Amino acid sequence: EAQVTQNPRYLITVTGKKLTVTCSQNMNHEYMSWYRQDPGLGLRQIYYSMNVEVTDKGDVPEGYKVSRKEKRNFPLILESPSPNQTSLYFCASSPWPIGGEKLFFGSGTQLSVL
Amino acid sequence: QKEVEQNSGPLSVPEGAIASLNCTYSDRGSQSFFWYRQYSGKSPELIMFIYSNGDKEDGRFTAQLNKASQYVSLLIRDSQPSDSATYLCAVNSGGSNYKLTFGKGTLLTVNP
Repeated sequence: EAQVTQNPRYLITVTGKKLTVTCSQNMNHEYMSWYRQDPGLGLRQIYYSMNVEVTDKGDVPEGYKVSRKEKRNFPLILESPSPNQTSLYFCASSPWPIGGEKLFFGSGTQLSVL
Repeated sequence: QKEVEQNSGPLSVPEGAIASLNCTYSDRGSQSFFWYRQYSGKSPELIMFIYSNGDKEDGRFTAQLNKASQYVSLLIRDSQPSDSATYLCAVNSGGSNYKLTFGKGTLLTVNP
């Protein structure tokens, strides 16, 4: 089944404790992206990648890191999480390498930073 | 800052009615337009896309685009309770800064 898999689904952590949210897609897509979704603010792009070893900042990259060492994986790293990073996070992939049209989303990760 | 604006709703319609969801965008150079549906607690799912001015129909869904007015809409005919969800408009700008920008979404409730 074609899918984008995110883990974990739910995560509660404390301020300053490094964490990684994994994302993997099995559709051989070039483009992958991370979004956060907050009430009243909608979906905002954190980082995106148009190909292996190519990543770029989205609209809200502060406090986040990403890496793209393999085409299928695009982990999101929070080196020192803070409470304002409490949010619902989505990973997405697209067969369109430019602009990320026609996104396929993962199931989401609900992160709470205490 | 490229913006995509949607009425936040909630929009409430009776079962069987036509639901009309609207979206305006600020970047006149925008080239492609998308509607995603997001059920509560779930991830967004692409339901329609449109590139050219005019209407595009897919089953009960019709996307309408007017680039001169910078306006895109989604009509849902014969609305069903299962259509109750948040609808996200997304616009892909052209030029050198080719990226997808989402509106904040409109919550649609279809009442039986």
